[in-house]
Amino acid sequence: AQKVTQAQTEISVVEKEDVTLDCVYETRDTTYYLFWYKQPPSGELVFLIRRNSFDEQNEISGRYSWNFQKSTSSFNFTITASQVVDSAVYFCALRHWDSGYSTLTFGKGTMLLVSP
Amino acid sequence: NAGVTQTPKFQVLKTGQSMTLQCAQDMNHEYMSWYRQDPGMGLRLIHYSVGAGITDQGEVPNGYNVSRSTTEDFPLRLLSAAPSQTSVYFCASSYSQRTNTEAFFGQGTRLTVV
Repeated sequence: AQKVTQAQTEISVVEKEDVTLDCVYETRDTTYYLFWYKQPPSGELVFLIRRNSFDEQNEISGRYSWNFQKSTSSFNFTITASQVVDSAVYFCALRHWDSGYSTLTFGKGTMLLVSP
Repeated sequence: NAGVTQTPKFQVLKTGQSMTLQCAQDMNHEYMSWYRQDPGMGLRLIHYSVGAGITDQGEVPNGYNVSRSTTEDFPLRLLSAAPSQTSVYFCASSYSQRTNTEAFFGQGTRLTVV
């Protein structure tokens, strides 16, 4: 079965702390795609990053970095020097194939609260 | 470029009423889908479409109907609303189901069934 687990329901940090959001996935597919989305308090869903199953190179974008490890089926997201504006719900998602069509399965999300 | 447009943004229905949530995209995307978001449940897939005339069920399809007569539009119909359908609904589109292109989401529709 295809599944995305975000074990951390809620994380609270103080501004400037580093924080890592965990994502573990399950899939039988050999080709799949992983995504992270941000949902700020305003409610819209904002795309952050994608990763192909055959590309394990980690990525850094400003204060954001992502660690993809196929061996542990994990795609973790780290925010360095967190800011209040990072407060949001973060979703990890897996695009996989079922009966010939692909679907996007989301984890339950991690709510990040950054206080000043 | 409007992206994915959902209407209405808010709606209150009485139990048993029917309604259609509208979704339109102007990016010529092949793939469209509907999700519902409930507290602590993340986003769950209701229905999806891989092109005009082709739809399929997702994880939670009961109580919802869809059709895709054009590439641009993918309406979600509630035939007889129930309180369990109180949720925030998101429509999404992506260029193709075969690639790693990301999904673009609408602003969401907050539906309350009383």
